Amino acid sequence: NAGVTQTPKFQVLKTGQSMTLQCAQDMNHNSMYWYRQDPGMGLRLIYYSASEGTTDKGEVPNGYNVSRLNKREFSLRLESAAPSQTSVYFCASSEAGGPRYNEQFFGPGTRLTVL
Amino acid sequence: AQTVTQSQPEMSVQEAETVTLSCTYDTSESNYYLFWYKQPPSRQMILVIRQEAYKQQNATENRFSVNFQKAAKSFSLKISDSQLGDTAMYFCAFNGGANSKLTFGKGITLSVRP
Repeated sequence: NAGVTQTPKFQVLKTGQSMTLQCAQDMNHNSMYWYRQDPGMGLRLIYYSASEGTTDKGEVPNGYNVSRLNKREFSLRLESAAPSQTSVYFCASSEAGGPRYNEQFFGPGTRLTVL
Repeated sequence: AQTVTQSQPEMSVQEAETVTLSCTYDTSESNYYLFWYKQPPSRQMILVIRQEAYKQQNATENRFSVNFQKAAKSFSLKISDSQLGDTAMYFCAFNGGANSKLTFGKGITLSVRP
């Protein structure tokens, strides 16, 4: 049981390049999330998916797109990277109900640098 | 919209002593959930403790306990018998219950001195 996995762990991009961050969970969770973490800002929600086939914007969605490929996988795409998107990105998942409702499980994060 | 405030950016405690981390929140919801997450230097986010607002009893997990004051909208974390491995960033988080989104505070960096 790997929990939540993310690839890659590190990435350096040039301004204008595109890339996709991959996330997968093996806990059969319905809900998945993408956050960014910046110094002094805590974690801010970019997009989330309450269930397979649905996605919604979070607090800071501009410059990003997401795809909920299936119940396990939720990817985050940067179409044209900007230096302001330099950050650490976390994927998380949670159950839709049960005793651990709303408890989010996090992946190890991706450190992205945009030059 | 809900807000979560952690007003202390940094704290330091001697090993084996007790430390309390503060968190306040603002919401109009009556039923909600509160969490403390730990982020050690490895960067992994780890759930420390959770509290359901409808429960009057404060949650406890081994050396970690909370002081939940619903009327004051305060949710502090007490760490007893601090250990070097407790050195980390700690985030307070709020969930309104209607959906599963979390709102995080900005975090506090805790250093445990040997």
